[in-house]
Amino acid sequence: EVQLVESGGGLVKPGGSLTLSCEASGFTFSFNTMHWVRQAPGKGLEWASAINRDGTFIVYAESLKGRFTISRDNARSSLFLQLNRLRAEDTAIYYCVSQNPNGSYDWGQGTRVTVSS
Amino acid sequence: DIQMTQSPSTLSASVGDRVTITCRASQTISPWLAWHQQKPGKAPKVLIYKASNLESGVPSRFSGSGSGTEFTLTISGLQPDDFATYYCQHYDSFPYSFGQGTKLEIK
Repeated sequence: EVQLVESGGGLVKPGGSLTLSCEASGFTFSFNTMHWVRQAPGKGLEWASAINRDGTFIVYAESLKGRFTISRDNARSSLFLQLNRLRAEDTAIYYCVSQNPNGSYDWGQGTRVTVSS
Repeated sequence: DIQMTQSPSTLSASVGDRVTITCRASQTISPWLAWHQQKPGKAPKVLIYKASNLESGVPSRFSGSGSGTEFTLTISGLQPDDFATYYCQHYDSFPYSFGQGTKLEIK
């Protein structure tokens, strides 16, 4: 069974930093492109960032460029998202998403980030 | 960037009804379109991928169709468990994007 378990969320002040983690199991992690998708309170889904299987291709939503950094450790079956210079509008649930080679997806349960003074 | 437009934003229906949700892309994305279901307080889950492929374990009352720029999600014979919010998502090219969502409510 595929499992994606996010952690690292919490309350942080504007301008602060946070690192989110996603531990994967139940599939061959190194075969899949991985994504972060976020959802602000009461809003829809927003794709944030993606990293290919070996980490050689990385892409971000325009609004996040320069502040967020995605990375992965295939030996540990883990995905990361470093969030810097956080703003109130970054308050959201952040989901780890695995894109399978067949084109399907698996979602984690999400980790909540709240940016507030 | 490709924009995804879903309609309707809200849909009221009864148990047993057949409903259709439409998603339009601002340019051709076929077949790179997924449909996700989200219930309140829960993570989304994929229902349909590559426009018409049913995810394993998803009931057969869910079906997806379409090509090019226009796609539909159909639920045949609504069940109480189906009242949720549905999102389409393209994965043709980066940045991927989602439709704004369709909230399916009980009439």
